[in-house]
Amino acid sequence: RKEVEQDPGPFNVPEGATVAFNCTYSNSASQSFFWYRQDCRKEPKLLMSVYSSGNEDGRFTAQLNRASQYISLLIRDSKLSDSATYLCVVKEGGSYIPTFGRGTSLIVHP
Amino acid sequence: GAVVSQHPSRVICKSGTSVKIECRSLDFQATTMFWYRQFPKQSLMLMATSNEGSKATYEQGVEKDKFLINHASLTLSTLTVTSAHPEDSSFYICSAPAAQETQYFGPGTRLLVL
Repeated sequence: RKEVEQDPGPFNVPEGATVAFNCTYSNSASQSFFWYRQDCRKEPKLLMSVYSSGNEDGRFTAQLNRASQYISLLIRDSKLSDSATYLCVVKEGGSYIPTFGRGTSLIVHP
Repeated sequence: GAVVSQHPSRVICKSGTSVKIECRSLDFQATTMFWYRQFPKQSLMLMATSNEGSKATYEQGVEKDKFLINHASLTLSTLTVTSAHPEDSSFYICSAPAAQETQYFGPGTRLLVL
């Protein structure tokens, strides 16, 4: 299975900061893209899907660059509660099986 | 509320014993479920795809005789770690595909083999 790569971090930022994560994928047949959030010792939970035109959900903005095969997640006005690991997830078209990146750890401090 | 449950949430066992983990879809039917394993600071690694009424599909490098999967109904898949050893200690998570191509994950089972 092709890979999904992420900088594991940790990204250590103060409250209120803006932070961005990138994720690259190697499978050009990938069609669906997601960001999941995983708290320590918990299961991953869907944060947002990533659409070709880019999309925003509150303080979170996701973008997709198919030509360069990367997706990004931007978090504005970071909160302490944003501290978690953010997983990049990619799926081929027509497949149920996602490929997970190893995650990027974010630590937001006071 | 949770849409996929997993049981047990935590298990400690002696080396050589077998451990069964249950994954249930709540309020929906899942003909397919996925079993993942996650070691500390690592990504989720797909172990196998569980198919209701047929054999599971195992990923390369995963021993099917060691990790027995049974998907006996549309709401239940089980993973049995047979003859567990300390290196099998990990976080095991199941998931079921949902609408809009997302996944519903179970809360995970933390296995510690002494």
